[in-house]
Amino acid sequence: QVQLQESGPGLVKPSETLSLTCTVSGGSISSYYWSWIRQPPGKGLEWIGYIYYSGSTNYNPSLKSRVTISVDTSKNQFSLKLSSVTAADTAVYYCARHPYDILTGYEYYFDYWGQGTLVTVSS
Amino acid sequence: EIVMTQSPATLSVSPGERATLSCRASQSVSSNLAWYQQKPGQAPRLLIYGASTRATGIPARFSGSGSGTEFTLTISSLQSEDFAVYYCQQYNNCLTFGQGTRLEIK
Repeated sequence: QVQLQESGPGLVKPSETLSLTCTVSGGSISSYYWSWIRQPPGKGLEWIGYIYYSGSTNYNPSLKSRVTISVDTSKNQFSLKLSSVTAADTAVYYCARHPYDILTGYEYYFDYWGQGTLVTVSS
Repeated sequence: EIVMTQSPATLSVSPGERATLSCRASQSVSSNLAWYQQKPGQAPRLLIYGASTRATGIPARFSGSGSGTEFTLTISSLQSEDFAVYYCQQYNNCLTFGQGTRLEIK
């Protein structure tokens, strides 16, 4: 059973960079796409971006200028950096996996999710 | 960006009754539509993908239908554990979610 676990600081100061890591266990990070999604308190879900295990990325256009997602296959981890944060970036941040379907190939819904980690932006 | 609009925002239904949730896309997403269930303090859980295919382990009382711009999630006989927030997500062009429908006990 694949498990994902987010880790990183729970408090970030305005204008600084938010950094989170997702550790994948119970399976290899290789051969899959992996995403970051966030959810402000009491609000809906927003996709941030995804990375392929080889390192290719795709970001939400609304966040693209501030987002970097990277992967470390040796550690079975991928990471998120969000720069120049403001209070509007306060959210629960989830990491998730995109499945591979033997018939249709790579799919872009999410089959496994981490439990999420709350990041608060405040001075 | 494809905008996903869910209705209603809140749905009140009695246990044992049927619930019908709607999701509309601002442009066609073909059948590239997923549904998730989220309970308080938990991550979303995949229910349906490809508009109508149940994910592994999802009970048969959950069904999805639609294509193009109009989609429906139906829960045929509500159980106590089904009261939650439901989100649709399109993955035809970039990835966007609806704002959610809260399913509450009537």
